[in-house]
Amino acid sequence: DVKVTQSSRYLVKRTGEKVFLECVQDMDHENMFWYRQDPGLGLRLIYFSYDVKMKEKGDIPEGYSVSREKKERFSLILESASTNQTSMYLCASRRRGTGVLETQYFGPGTRLLVL
Amino acid sequence: AQTVTQSQPEMSVQEAETVTLSCTYDTSESDYYLFWYKQPPSRQMILVIRQEAYKQQNATENRFSVNFQKAAKSFSLKISDSQLGDAAMYFCAYRGRDTGNQFYFGTGTSLTVIP
Repeated sequence: DVKVTQSSRYLVKRTGEKVFLECVQDMDHENMFWYRQDPGLGLRLIYFSYDVKMKEKGDIPEGYSVSREKKERFSLILESASTNQTSMYLCASRRRGTGVLETQYFGPGTRLLVL
Repeated sequence: AQTVTQSQPEMSVQEAETVTLSCTYDTSESDYYLFWYKQPPSRQMILVIRQEAYKQQNATENRFSVNFQKAAKSFSLKISDSQLGDAAMYFCAYRGRDTGNQFYFGTGTSLTVIP
């Protein structure tokens, strides 16, 4: 089974702090994703990466950056946390390919509260 | 960008009964995939069922089945013999076959199962 883990389940940070959210997958997947999940808005893509050191902006990249130095690890960085970044953050990974079997596998999520 | 609409923010069903969750999407692509994901309370999001748009036959996974109407761009999920463990948030998702990596998610339907 694919395993996607996230470094924290719950995180409390102060406005202005730099925040790192880590995601690790153990299935050698090429593609990795960061979403934020908010009630009534569903999942919105922040960034994704299709290879080491490669990244592409999703729908809501403002205020975030990412890092992918190793294939199995994808980090989301909040350079200066703000209260409107309080949310649930979900990491996902999937194998490269266009077939229907190449679905996404999700981590357990990190619930971030910015005070 | 493609849009996915789930018009039912909340649904409830009596245990052992059948419930249908609706999903519509908008796309100009001819080949794509559709998914239903389940997110139980405080637990990881998992794939429930998937459908390839070029397949006429509706996908089925045990008690879960879909009603895929390509012309109407509709992709509903039917849960038969509902169980308490089916209580969760359900997300409908779309991915174009050739448009790369991005999944598009609906806003979710929260399903309550009444004992």
